[in-house]
Amino acid sequence: QVQLQESGPGLVKPSETLSLTCTVSGDSISSFYWSWIRQPPGKGLEWIGYIYYTGSTNYNPSLKSRVAMSVDTSKNQFSLRVNSVTAADTAVYYCARHHISPAGCWFDPWGQGTLVTVSS
Amino acid sequence: SSELTQDPGVSVALGQTVRITCRGDTLRSYYASWCQRKSGQAPVLVIYGKNNRPSGIPDRFSGSSSRDTASLTITGAQAEDEADYYCNSRDSSGNVIFGGGTKLTVL
Repeated sequence: QVQLQESGPGLVKPSETLSLTCTVSGDSISSFYWSWIRQPPGKGLEWIGYIYYTGSTNYNPSLKSRVAMSVDTSKNQFSLRVNSVTAADTAVYYCARHHISPAGCWFDPWGQGTLVTVSS
Repeated sequence: SSELTQDPGVSVALGQTVRITCRGDTLRSYYASWCQRKSGQAPVLVIYGKNNRPSGIPDRFSGSSSRDTASLTITGAQAEDEADYYCNSRDSSGNVIFGGGTKLTVL
């Protein structure tokens, strides 16, 4: 079955860039859409954006100016970069396979999540 | 911007039926999907589309929708169903919106 695993630094300094990678196993990344979602401590889920295997992207308008996603089909990985981070970017970051239909969308499966803390 | 509204907390007696709701204008055009997040675990999809359950999700979970409201119903709630439940949907631009989440307590 498809499995996703996030990796990257758990601590990032304010004003620097947060970088995470999601490795997909059990299926080719060259199909479907792939999303990043985060959950700040004590708060709800927030969609960050998605990337298609072709490199086409769609970002949450509230984060669009600071976010970039990329995909590496040879490694079956996709990545997230968030620049100019502040304490408000502290969260558990999840990657997930993103299913899109004309009638709606859903996420399945999800990675285990990785906590990223923004602090000096 | 589009929003999805959920009640922060709902409780249900063991074995009884509970409905968790999600309200928002985008639900007039698109279905909601629902995921379950237990403490310390990754979210798990439980309902998507009109009323579809992924493989492995018990049939006590079901979904429905009417006008601007989507509902997740658990018929015969079990102790292991205690979790946070989040709805999400999309808008016409493909952007995704999540509800604020509902904490389900099984008494």
